[in-house]
Amino acid sequence: GENVEQHPSTLSVQEGDSAVIKCTYSDSASNYFPWYKQELGKRPQLIIDIRSNVGEKKDQRIAVTLNKTAKHFSLHITETQPEDSAVYFCAALFSGNTGFQKLVFGTGTRLLVSP
Amino acid sequence: DTGVSQDPRHKITKRGQNVTFRCDPISEHNRLYWYRQTLGQGPEFLTYFQNEAQLEKSRLLSDRFSAERPKGSFSTLEIQRTEQGDSAMYLCASSLTQGLHEQYFGPGTRLTVT
Repeated sequence: GENVEQHPSTLSVQEGDSAVIKCTYSDSASNYFPWYKQELGKRPQLIIDIRSNVGEKKDQRIAVTLNKTAKHFSLHITETQPEDSAVYFCAALFSGNTGFQKLVFGTGTRLLVSP
Repeated sequence: DTGVSQDPRHKITKRGQNVTFRCDPISEHNRLYWYRQTLGQGPEFLTYFQNEAQLEKSRLLSDRFSAERPKGSFSTLEIQRTEQGDSAMYLCASSLTQGLHEQYFGPGTRLTVT
């Protein structure tokens, strides 16, 4: 089936600490794993993505790692700031019978960074 | 603003009424997606267009839902005979071309059915 599990559902950290969010996916996911940030009342924004031909990707304070053998990928935010507070969604690309590929999202992690 | 836009941003309707939402994708994007998001959940895929062709529909999309993209540009999503369970945020996303996969979301239309 098409399933993405995300943990934790909530995460509270102090400003300057690191935050890690983990996702696992079912067998049929293909090669694309994006992460979205959604602030209250706003649209999901693509912040970073990774494809299966690499194990890690970094962009300033955020990084994503992918372990295809274990079928999990993680988002790492270093030196967290209050403006990082939001809900973060992972997603995985699944291929359907018709060849169509669709994103399936996790249930989200509410990150709260306290000053 | 050259991003994905949606209209209206909010819609309150009574049960049984029909509603229609509009999505304008990023201009050069030929792929357009509709999602539904309920409180505390991630977006759930509803349907997908490549240019004007509707190529995929989720089983979540009941017969009361219909979507069009007549000229391969903007898209509309209509819900007939709305039910309270239809209350949700309806998100539109677009992407450039097959193989790149990056989807960019609009601000959504929040539907409340009373």
